[in-house]
Amino acid sequence: AQTVTQSQPEMSVQEAETVTLSCTYDTSENNYYLFWYKQPPSRQMILVIRQEAYKQQNATENRFSVNFQKAAKSFSLKISDSQLGDTAMYFCASGSGNTGKLIFGQGTTLQVKP
Amino acid sequence: EAGVVQSPRYKIIEKKQPVAFWCNPISGHNTLYWYRQNLGQGPELLIRYENEEAVDDSQLPKDRFSAERLKGVDSTLKIQPAELGDSAVYLCASSISGANSYEQYFGPGTRLTVT
Repeated sequence: AQTVTQSQPEMSVQEAETVTLSCTYDTSENNYYLFWYKQPPSRQMILVIRQEAYKQQNATENRFSVNFQKAAKSFSLKISDSQLGDTAMYFCASGSGNTGKLIFGQGTTLQVKP
Repeated sequence: EAGVVQSPRYKIIEKKQPVAFWCNPISGHNTLYWYRQNLGQGPELLIRYENEEAVDDSQLPKDRFSAERLKGVDSTLKIQPAELGDSAVYLCASSISGANSYEQYFGPGTRLTVT
């Protein structure tokens, strides 16, 4: 069975600073994908970044980057130059095989302070 | 391009009443998902459709929940009768079919309150 664990229920960061959100996962699949989703208070879930497990290079999307440690089954999200609009709940998720099924972590609430 | 559309956005009902949620996926997305998200938790999959076929409904409480996607486009999720524990946000998502197509796009959700 797949599991995704986010051990930080809440985090805060000052505007313009950098913050890292942690995520660990467990899967028996060889081919899987990892995602970070953002859910602002308006509730719409938005894909932030995606990582294919077979790729060694860490994914980056503008101010968002990941640190993918496959052996340790760790997948952290780094947000650089934090902005007030980054305030949201962040979910780590894994999807594997051909099922299309995503397993989500419990989420981390991030507050960016002015 | 229009995103995933869901209605209603909010619904308050008394326990034992029926309720239905509607979802229209992104045009061209053959795969449709219904998730339930309890307060402060991550979404949990209820059912996944490939076109009009339910290919994974193992997490759907079939005694009271039902879903349909008759023409392979929009979908309806129904609860009858609703229980207090069904209060949650019901999210619909869609993706392009095919192996490794896990990039799912979510709708705004329906917040259900059962009193």
